[in-house]
Amino acid sequence: QVQLVESGGGVVQPGGSLRLSCAASGFTFHNYGMHWVRQAPGKGLEWVAFVRYNGSHKYYADSVKGQFIISRDNSKNTLYLQMNSLRAEDTAVYYCANDRLGDWGHGTQVTVSS
Amino acid sequence: DLQLTQSPSSLSASVGDRVTITCRASQSISSYLNWFQQKPGKAPKLLIYAASSLQSGVPSRFSGSGSGTDFTLTISSLQPEDFATYYCQQSYITPPWTFGQGTKVEIK
Repeated sequence: QVQLVESGGGVVQPGGSLRLSCAASGFTFHNYGMHWVRQAPGKGLEWVAFVRYNGSHKYYADSVKGQFIISRDNSKNTLYLQMNSLRAEDTAVYYCANDRLGDWGHGTQVTVSS
Repeated sequence: DLQLTQSPSSLSASVGDRVTITCRASQSISSYLNWFQQKPGKAPKLLIYAASSLQSGVPSRFSGSGSGTDFTLTISSLQPEDFATYYCQQSYITPPWTFGQGTKVEIK
């Protein structure tokens, strides 16, 4: 069955960087676009970024444009989110999901705090 | 950007009640509307896609309807496991892939 497993979250100081990973299995990863979606504490779902199946096109929410970079390595069945210049408002659980948002990982917590 | 507005933001209901949640788009999104259920500490789960298609494995008490700008999620007979937060989401005008603000369904 489909499995998406996020990792790389943690506590980081404001201005710091983190790279999240999402390991995919149980489906043909290189055929599907992938999303990152986040959820701040007590808040709703916020779409963050999307990358097409072959990495040719990438799209970002205005709130993270120029700050986050989505990428993928189809040889490793892995999705990434490079997060730079982190701010307190980036504190959230980050989920990866497939292009139809039909399958989600369990999420990884990112906390930006001094 | 396109906006999705859910109503109500929260509701209290009893087991067995019929529950209806609405989602209004700021412009037409055809039928490109999905519904998700999220329980505390868990990832969202896709319930309904393309406005009215039931995702595999989702109980038939869940149904969706609508097109254009007005959409509805209905739970025909609320069960204890249905107490959760529900989100609508559009995939017609992207990016961004917009979510509604959520509707929390609580026990009366």
